[in-house]
Amino acid sequence: AQSVTQPDIHITVSEGASLELRCNYSYGATPYLFWYVQSPGQGLQLLLKYFSGDTLVQGIKGFEAEFKRSQSSFNLRKPSVHWSDAAEYFCAVLTGGGNKLTFGTGTQLKVEL
Amino acid sequence: EPEVTQTPSHQVTQMGQEVILRCVPISNHLYFYWYRQILGQKVEFLVSFYNNEISEKSEIFDDQFSVERPDGSNFTLKIRSTKLEDSAMYFCASGLAGETQYFGPGTRLLVL
Repeated sequence: AQSVTQPDIHITVSEGASLELRCNYSYGATPYLFWYVQSPGQGLQLLLKYFSGDTLVQGIKGFEAEFKRSQSSFNLRKPSVHWSDAAEYFCAVLTGGGNKLTFGTGTQLKVEL
Repeated sequence: EPEVTQTPSHQVTQMGQEVILRCVPISNHLYFYWYRQILGQKVEFLVSFYNNEISEKSEIFDDQFSVERPDGSNFTLKIRSTKLEDSAMYFCASGLAGETQYFGPGTRLLVL
């Protein structure tokens, strides 16, 4: 069955430090992968997506993610975190014939000033 | 930038009552979805809707649930007889090509 694992439930970083959030997926075919962010009281905002091609994809707010097929991973990175990046981050894979997103459990990011 | 909107933002209801959650997808989108997130748990797929019919549904989406696109702009989720375990945040999403999904802000449903 398709699944997404986000091993880190909580991560705390200092403002200005670099960030990497881990995501591993299990999916038989070529995956369509996404990262979404959820700020408190807000909906899910799309950060970036990978369908094919260049394995390093750029997103909004200075985020990027790298698809590594050999490791079944799609880790999210940001070189310098801002206090406003504090939120919950969800990795997801498109499954079910392209009809549904299967989400990971999320990583809660806290940014220390 | 166009957005998915949802109403109401919060709804409190008594167990056994019917609720209708409303969504206005992005205007030129063709694919519509409902997801839910029980507090502290992951976001779960409920149903997808395309060309005026359900294209896929999860095991959660039983006979108590239904979806409708009544007027070409709204997309609704009805829960016929709510249970305590239906308490969750319900997200509507829409997409143009069935791949990238754009989410609304959610409706928090509390069943007492």
